[in-house]
Amino acid sequence: ILNVEQSPQSLHVQEGDSTNFTCSFPSSNFYALHWYRWETAKSPEALFVMTLNGDEKKKGRISATLNTKEGYSYLYIKGSQPEDSATYLCAIDNYGQNFVFGPGTRLSVLP
Amino acid sequence: GAVVSQHPSRVICKSGTSVKIECRSLDFQATTMFWYRQFPKKSLMLMATSNEGSKATYEQGVEKDKFLINHASLTLSTLTVTSAHPEDSSFYICSARDNPNTGELFFGEGSRLTVL
Repeated sequence: ILNVEQSPQSLHVQEGDSTNFTCSFPSSNFYALHWYRWETAKSPEALFVMTLNGDEKKKGRISATLNTKEGYSYLYIKGSQPEDSATYLCAIDNYGQNFVFGPGTRLSVLP
Repeated sequence: GAVVSQHPSRVICKSGTSVKIECRSLDFQATTMFWYRQFPKKSLMLMATSNEGSKATYEQGVEKDKFLINHASLTLSTLTVTSAHPEDSSFYICSARDNPNTGELFFGEGSRLTVL
């Protein structure tokens, strides 16, 4: 895994809107894909871990899917709230050796 | 989840001085800790893997004499930026796994270093 991409780099949505963003990776030869939420001045917080093609995880209004065949994962937020404002990072777990991070998507939810 | 504490959160120093950043696992033992650096609008870049009781493993392009890593106990790793220069100004963040082979990475709060 040489490069993990995320798009968009940033986005602004209105409170109540639903949104999604993408993590893409060139190879599916990894152990797991992780999503983290990183609020300003706090530690990145783990959201989801997915390992299998077709995995779907959900936590409240946030969900994620993994498609290893086509090399992407989506993160969805339904009914965005201001407290969802954060940077969302995805990372590839390279079989316990290291994590390779994407650059993150910075989400701002406007009240 | 497991807790990792990092300090200082911010440090300003003069060129030529050395700065130490500490990373502690508060409720688990971490044989391995990871040190990352983040450049503006870029990914977290792994600098080195800190191994308790042995030498750290540095990523290609990271100067081990510039970034000294010590992992003397199962709960503490330190990163010392030696003879700091303005180009060392960056955001540094540590992390650790609560399971050596799999499991989540838990992060410290990060340290913003500014070298004048």
